[in-house]
Amino acid sequence: QVQLVQSGAEVKEPGASVKVSCKASGYTFTRSDINWVRQATGQGLEWMGWMNPKSGNTDYAQRFQGRVTFTRNTSVSTAYMELSSLRSEDTAVYYCARQSASGWPPGFDYWGQGALVTVST
Amino acid sequence: QSVLTQPPSVSGAPGQRVTISCTGSSSNIGAGYDVHWYQQLPGTAPKLLIYGNNNRPSGVPDRFSGSKSGTSASLAITGLQAEDEADYYCQSYDDRLSGSKVFGGGTKLIVL
Repeated sequence: QVQLVQSGAEVKEPGASVKVSCKASGYTFTRSDINWVRQATGQGLEWMGWMNPKSGNTDYAQRFQGRVTFTRNTSVSTAYMELSSLRSEDTAVYYCARQSASGWPPGFDYWGQGALVTVST
Repeated sequence: QSVLTQPPSVSGAPGQRVTISCTGSSSNIGAGYDVHWYQQLPGTAPKLLIYGNNNRPSGVPDRFSGSKSGTSASLAITGLQAEDEADYYCQSYDDRLSGSKVFGGGTKLIVL
């Protein structure tokens, strides 16, 4: 069965960077784009961007450009999201989500369990 | 402010039918892009509920249905059950924002 398992919670100081991992299993990692979505406590979902695991191509939402980087290691079927210059407003749960094969454009058919990132002094 | 507008909350009694609206514009839903719906139970990750406007993934009960018309979409839930109490999000694509997938602000469904 398809699973996306994310790394654990992190606490970072303002100005630092955080790197969250997302390990895929149950399907061929390079065949589906991985998207990243975040959710601040009590708030809605916010799309951050996507990565094609086969080519490494990425596209970032405008508000995160210059501050976020998506990478992958195909040998271990893992995608990574790194967010830099952290500020308190970045405190949120970060989800990875697999892009579906259906729809135009497709939605997200499987989600990781989420990784809480807390930015605090 | 979300690009797609949803009511903050809706409520209904067990067994009733409720609908959740998702209002967009000519640059997203009105441009013909598909709408997808997600259910987020408390403390869990979102789950795909409806894809491509009106299709249910395997395992989703047929009590859930989706529709789309013009610049809006709707999620309908019939035979409301206590376990349906959750947050629901619509999602589409907006061509004013390069490559951007967009979510509605979310709707809290309260089962009375």
